[in-house]
Amino acid sequence: GAVVSQHPSRVICKSGTSVKIECRSLDFQATTMFWYRQFPKQSLMLMATSNEGSKATYEQGVEKDKFLINHASLTLSTLTVTSAHPEDSSFYICSAVGGGEGETQYFGPGTRLLVL
Amino acid sequence: SQQGEEDPQALSIQEGENATMNCSYKTSINNLQWYRQNSGRGLVHLILIRSNEREKHSGRLRVTLDTSKKSSSLLITASRAADTASYFCATSGSARQLTFGSGTQLTVLP
Repeated sequence: GAVVSQHPSRVICKSGTSVKIECRSLDFQATTMFWYRQFPKQSLMLMATSNEGSKATYEQGVEKDKFLINHASLTLSTLTVTSAHPEDSSFYICSAVGGGEGETQYFGPGTRLLVL
Repeated sequence: SQQGEEDPQALSIQEGENATMNCSYKTSINNLQWYRQNSGRGLVHLILIRSNEREKHSGRLRVTLDTSKKSSSLLITASRAADTASYFCATSGSARQLTFGSGTQLTVLP
């Protein structure tokens, strides 16, 4: 199946700093990428939908100025958590969908963010 | 808010037994997918069933879909210790966004 990578896999930062997470589709072109957040022992919550070359669409309650998303190419989307605070500590997972009638989302391995 | 609810929340069985997980959703869908997640890891796609399908098989997996009841089930036959993981259903509408269920934590005891 298709492979999606995320970098970094784990990051620890001080409160107030910004953290960038990369999501790459390695062997296919992803017209759409999704960003999810997962708190411990909970399900995935969709944060935003990222389409290549256009602005991301954010879910209700997700601050677009805090979670900056850039989908600059068909294989790369980035999520930047700006001025991170301890409550932003979570597991961030991206997924990618290919073009055409592709229905399956392929998930990255996730990034564990801990804000001290 | 999450659309899907799964039950049971947790399931513990012996190796070799079958495991059944159920998922219910609220709105109309294009397809329903099941994913598996090992602790602290990403999701692995297991199977997709379209809204016009009622049953689908893949190896030891069997998925059913009842659109009239807005429910789906995932059956894992002859379970193995390596099947221990969290299992999520996810529904997809016209926008290809996935809405995840609350998940079932499956523990298969050796």
